[in-house]
Amino acid sequence: KQEVTQIPAALSVPEGENLVLNCSFTDSAIYNLQWFRQDPGKGLTSLLLIQSSQREQTSGRLNASLDKSSGRSTLYIAASQPGDSATYLCAPYTGTASKLTFGTGTRLQVTL
Amino acid sequence: DTEVTQTPKHLVMGMTNKKSLKCEQHMGHRAMYWYKQKAKKPPELMFVYSYEKLSINESVPSRFSPECPNSSLLNLHLHALQPEDSALYLCASSPRSSGGAREQFFGPGTRLTVL
Repeated sequence: KQEVTQIPAALSVPEGENLVLNCSFTDSAIYNLQWFRQDPGKGLTSLLLIQSSQREQTSGRLNASLDKSSGRSTLYIAASQPGDSATYLCAPYTGTASKLTFGTGTRLQVTL
Repeated sequence: DTEVTQTPKHLVMGMTNKKSLKCEQHMGHRAMYWYKQKAKKPPELMFVYSYEKLSINESVPSRFSPECPNSSLLNLHLHALQPEDSALYLCASSPRSSGGAREQFFGPGTRLTVL
């Protein structure tokens, strides 16, 4: 059974800092991995999809990396802004279970 | 149109009521999903429809009954729910491929409260 852990659980940084969110998963037989953000009480917004054959994927100030063999992914956010405050979830898609398994999330607060 | 819509936004129901949640997408996606999310927890998969057929049921109690009347619509019928079923119900869709899943797109959710 896939288990996904995200560290740290919560993070508070001043505006402008670069930061890294970590995601680890136990079953490396994944097709892809998605990073989402979720604002309180809202739905999920897909940020990046990284395929199992890729090492990195970039979108604007966001960069996701994937090391499938070691079961790790990181989300790098450059020049953080208060609008980045949200919960960030990683979710690998496992072929054997045919589904996304969500991590425990990192709650990010970017202060002025 | 690149979004998934869900109605209603909020729903309050008694344990004897029957209600339905609705989800719609017009992106031509052929896989649609229902997730349940309790407060401060990650989403948990409930059902998957692929080409309008139920392909995954994650051992969900029968008081939740999904329906996919066409490729754009997904319903979740609710009957005799319990207070512990109160949660945010999320719908998602994705293109279908033979090699596995593609990117999933989520709707804003329906906040359900069972009294």
